[in-house]
Amino acid sequence: EIVMTQSPATLSVSPGERGTLSCRASQNVSNNLAWYQQKPGQAPRLLIYGESTRASGIPARFSGSGSETEFTLTISSLQSEDFAVYYCQQYHNWPAITFGQGTRLEI
Amino acid sequence: QLQLQESGPGLVRPSETLSLTCTVSGGSIVSTTHYWGWIRQTPGKGLEWIASIYHSGSTYYNPSLQSRAAISLDTSKHQFFLRLRSVTAADTAVYYCARDNYYDGSVPSGFFDNWGHGTRVTVSS
Repeated sequence: EIVMTQSPATLSVSPGERGTLSCRASQNVSNNLAWYQQKPGQAPRLLIYGESTRASGIPARFSGSGSETEFTLTISSLQSEDFAVYYCQQYHNWPAITFGQGTRLEI
Repeated sequence: QLQLQESGPGLVRPSETLSLTCTVSGGSIVSTTHYWGWIRQTPGKGLEWIASIYHSGSTYYNPSLQSRAAISLDTSKHQFFLRLRSVTAADTAVYYCARDNYYDGSVPSGFFDNWGHGTRVTVSS
C-alpha cells in the first residue's frame, strides 16, 4: 500500500497570507495526485488533480505542484472560506488508491 | 447539476450487514465516461475508498474490504448500492457515494469529482 503523509497536521495562517501544504508518497505516484478540501459537516471537494490541474470552478489562488513522491498545495492569498481540512490522494496504484490523513488549515 | 444522495439505516448491529443506497439525479448513471463509488471516513483511518462500479456492472474493490463488500446498481432507478457484511465497530463511519472523474475505457481515473453529503452509520448493539 502506498502511504500518503501530509504535513503539518495543523497550519495556522492569517487571512491574506500564503498557505503551503505538503504531501509525501511512500512510493513514486508520478503525477497521479489529487487534493480535496473538506469543511465541517460537508463532503470533500475536489480541488486539484493530475498534481496541478484545477477542478472545475476552483479559484486560481489554489495551485498544485510536485511530482513522484513530493507534492505541494499552495493557496496564494487565504480567504476566510479557505480555512478547512485538506487531503491529498494518490490514484497511481489503482485500485489501491489511498488518502493522506489531512492538514487542518486554521486562522 | 449532478447530485448524489446517500440513504440507509444509521445504526447497524455488530455481525450484521450494512446496506446503503446512492440515488443519482441531474446526470446519468449510465454515463459511458464515469464509474460510481463508495468512500468512507472514520476518525481513526480517515478517508478510505471502498468500491466502484460502472453501468455495465464492472466493479473494483479495495483489496482490504473486498471479502466483505459488494457494490451493485439499478440503472432503472438511477441508484447504486453498497452492502458490507459482518460489520464491527471499526465500520462505524460516514459513508459517501461519489462519481469517479473519468473512465477512458481502460480504468477509472481513481479520483472523485462529485460527492454526496454523506450518511453516518454507527455499528453498535
